[in-house]
Amino acid sequence: AQSVTQPDIHITVSEGASLELRCNYSYGATPYLFWYVQSPGQGLQLLLKYFSGDTLVQGIKGFEAEFKRSQSSFNLRKPSVHWSDAAEYFCAVGAGYSSASKIIFGSGTRLSIRP
Amino acid sequence: KAGVTQTPRYLIKTRGQQVTLSCSPISGHRSVSWYQQTPGQGLQFLFEYFSETQRNKGNFPGRFSGRQFSNSRSEMNVSTLELGDSALYLCASSLDSSYGMNTEAFFGQGTRLTVV
Repeated sequence: AQSVTQPDIHITVSEGASLELRCNYSYGATPYLFWYVQSPGQGLQLLLKYFSGDTLVQGIKGFEAEFKRSQSSFNLRKPSVHWSDAAEYFCAVGAGYSSASKIIFGSGTRLSIRP
Repeated sequence: KAGVTQTPRYLIKTRGQQVTLSCSPISGHRSVSWYQQTPGQGLQFLFEYFSETQRNKGNFPGRFSGRQFSNSRSEMNVSTLELGDSALYLCASSLDSSYGMNTEAFFGQGTRLTVV
């Protein structure tokens, strides 16, 4: 069955420190992978996506992610976090006909920033 | 351009009632999907509408239904509300399937439904 696993429920990092959020997926075919961010009371914003090609993808707000097929992973990284990065982050795989359809989300990782 | 608009933002309903939520996609987007977000189950796909037809459906009971109009606006309806239906309902839109997956899905801010 298709699934996405985010093993870390909550992570706290100091402002200015580097960040890595883990994501593992299970999907039979070539996966369409996404990272979304959600601030409290808000909808979801796409940070970056991977469909094919270069396995290191750049996103908005200084985030990047690396697709590793051999490890079924798509970890999100940022070299230096800012207090405004505090939010919930969702890794997801697309299983539908369009990029909005049938997205399978992980359970999310809540990121807190220590001043 | 205007984003995905969901109305209302907040709703309080009584168990047993029904509710209708509305979603206006970004202009030109023909695919509209609905998601339910709860603390216990996380984000779950409800259904997708494209060209006024339901194209994909998640694993929800028949009390959850939807429709799409010719202008791509979509509504979802929940009948016979249960306490467990309390959730944030999110709508997402994207360009149609001829663009495949290589487009971005845009989410609305959601409708917070509370069933009492």
